[in-house]
Amino acid sequence: EAQVTQNPRYLITVTGKKLTVTCSQNMNHEYMSWYRQDPGLGLRQIYYSMNVEVTDKGDVPEGYKVSRKEKRNFPLILESPSPNQTSLYFCASSPWSDNSPLHFGNGTRLTVT
Amino acid sequence: DQQVKQNSPSLSVQEGRISILNCDYTNSMFDYFLWYKKYPAEGPTFLISISSIKDKNEDGRFTVFLNKSAKHLSLHIVPSQPGDSAVYFCAASKAGTASKLTFGTGTRLQVTL
Repeated sequence: EAQVTQNPRYLITVTGKKLTVTCSQNMNHEYMSWYRQDPGLGLRQIYYSMNVEVTDKGDVPEGYKVSRKEKRNFPLILESPSPNQTSLYFCASSPWSDNSPLHFGNGTRLTVT
Repeated sequence: DQQVKQNSPSLSVQEGRISILNCDYTNSMFDYFLWYKKYPAEGPTFLISISSIKDKNEDGRFTVFLNKSAKHLSLHIVPSQPGDSAVYFCAASKAGTASKLTFGTGTRLQVTL
C-alpha cells in the first residue's frame, strides 16, 4: 500500500530534550516536506526537500533540522524542543511533477512541557 | 501574513443540501489551487484541484470554482453526505511548484441528518 509513515504518533517530552520524528514513504517520491498544524493557523511548512541531499527552509524553520540521506526517509529533528513547538506535525511527499498532489502521513502529536 | 484565508471556521449543513466552502488569497503569483479534506487522527487527503487557466473543475459531487479577478475560490459539495463531515483546507501554489503549498486555516464542515 502506497503510504507516508510517521513515527511516533504521539510524543510527550520536556524542554531541551532532543527528539526525532521519523518519516518514510514507499512511493519513490522525490519531494518531501514537513508541516505543522496549529489552531487558527492552518498548516505551515517547516522544511522541504526536492531530492536526496537537497533541503530548504519553509515558512517556519526556526528550531528544526532535517536531513535527506535517502530518498524514502526525511526525519524531523528538534535539537532543543520548547513549549511553542507543541503542535501536530505532518510529513508529506509527492513526485514533484505535473501538479501531483501531496500525500500526507497521519501526523505526530507532540507536546513539550 | 496569511496569504490564503478561509474566513469561516465552521459550517453546518443538512444532509442532501449544498455545502459551499470559501477561500480567498492575496498573492497574485498563485496559479494552482487545491482542496484537502482531513478527518480526525488522519492526515489531509487530496480532494480536487484547479489551475488558474480554468474557472471550474468538477469531480463527482465536488466542484471547485475560481474567480481570479476576485482572488476567490469555492468548493461546492452537492449533495452533502454525513461522511463529508471533516475539516477542509484550501491550498495554493505558484507556477511549477504544485508541491510547495500555502494552506488556509481550514473550515470544519458538519453535515447533519
